[in-house]
Amino acid sequence: QSVLTQPPSASGTPGQRVTISCSGSSSNIGSNTVNWYQQLPGTAPKLLIYSNTQRPSGVPDRFSGSKSGTSASLAISGLQSEDEADYYCAAWDDSLNGPVFGGGTQLTVL
Amino acid sequence: EVQLVESGGGLVKPGGSLRLSCAASGFPFSSYSMNWVRQAPGKGLEWVSSISSVSGYIYYADSVKGRFTISRDNAKNSLYLQMNSLRAEDTAVYYCARYVGALKTQWFDPWGQGTLVTVSS
Repeated sequence: QSVLTQPPSASGTPGQRVTISCSGSSSNIGSNTVNWYQQLPGTAPKLLIYSNTQRPSGVPDRFSGSKSGTSASLAISGLQSEDEADYYCAAWDDSLNGPVFGGGTQLTVL
Repeated sequence: EVQLVESGGGLVKPGGSLRLSCAASGFPFSSYSMNWVRQAPGKGLEWVSSISSVSGYIYYADSVKGRFTISRDNAKNSLYLQMNSLRAEDTAVYYCARYVGALKTQWFDPWGQGTLVTVSS
């Protein structure tokens, strides 16, 4: 059971906009920033969004992050086949005194 | 290019030990906190341990506390994870990852390619 809650799966067609939610509590998302990681099949995770909304260089602006209260969201617009991957949210947890992850969302491009 | 390369994984019997290594290059290793994160087969990511830049602060997940020891050698640009009393549930790909940012707001970037640890009799 992960500390942060994500839907196990999401899907969309090419060109569509999809969102992935991440729900936490006051001890993690409610008081700290959220990061998102993308894990393509058979590869290591890669940083996608940091500090709630920031994109590292090289990440397309089709990817965006937001946070409100104890929840966060990752939005992907103009969905492409290469976006098919697992997506994980993460945040520091003040109660556990360490970083925690969501269970991951498997995105399928139909 | 910033790079992290793990090694040392393999098959070990329950109760056994293993030492993982992570070789860092392309950045001032001694200036960054480092982490181990693991992923059981078909499962999500789980933070395992972190160590500050000069080893002054060390943290562990409850699931490995007392069994795993993280360490680093800044002169060799290397991070280590000594794993003792291994259990079947420790079976996972272990990733080395750099911490970037300030405490509580930091993120993992980059990640190594991972090394597989299998605990089985």
